[in-house]
Amino acid sequence: QQPVQSPQAVILREGEDAVINCSSSKALYSVHWYRQKHGEAPVFLMILLKGGEQKGHEKISASFNEKKQQSSLYLTASQLSYSGTYFCGTFVKGGADGLTFGKGTHLIIQP
Amino acid sequence: EAQVTQNPRYLITVTGKKLTVTCSQNMNHEYMSWYRQDPGLGLRQIYYSMNVEVTDKGDVPEGYKVSRKEKRNFPLILESPSPNQTSLYFCASTLGQGVYSPLHFGNGTRLTVT
Repeated sequence: QQPVQSPQAVILREGEDAVINCSSSKALYSVHWYRQKHGEAPVFLMILLKGGEQKGHEKISASFNEKKQQSSLYLTASQLSYSGTYFCGTFVKGGADGLTFGKGTHLIIQP
Repeated sequence: EAQVTQNPRYLITVTGKKLTVTCSQNMNHEYMSWYRQDPGLGLRQIYYSMNVEVTDKGDVPEGYKVSRKEKRNFPLILESPSPNQTSLYFCASTLGQGVYSPLHFGNGTRLTVT
């Protein structure tokens, strides 16, 4: 029941914006976003609980469209420190799978 | 300091030799889980536990066992490791059933099975 993330990889110049999408075929309780640097553990960014909800972390924000079972992560004016792999994780309503992660989106920020 | 502790960080073993990767958390979390991470496949859930004596299979449970006899510990057991279990493993924990609270990850265990 892995959620589907897109794109698989993004290369940006510092200061540019990016959007990472996450979609599920199942109704969701919540969507989680994490960032992982190479060789390190994933680090929590934010949780979205309700349809239309938006949250922010630094210059990173996200939205959750409950009707479409889609979430998007927005990175504004990207910084070098934003480089890494971004994962969305989902809890399915009525499911018993725990938190299931997508395959990840690799984000490379160039100076 | 609140943390999830995994041991060992690195492990090289041979096919068929039983091994255990330990995971312990000091945050009184109910939910604990194990993930494996392989290039291009993301984080795939092996097993998870909602509380003591309650465990459930994730997406890739074959070849693994877990137990949750105490709230703080959630060991991952490979009874007969095979080379396809070579991977990076993460243990994680969170409050409640995990739906509304962030996962705290351990530092990972890099396992190589030859």
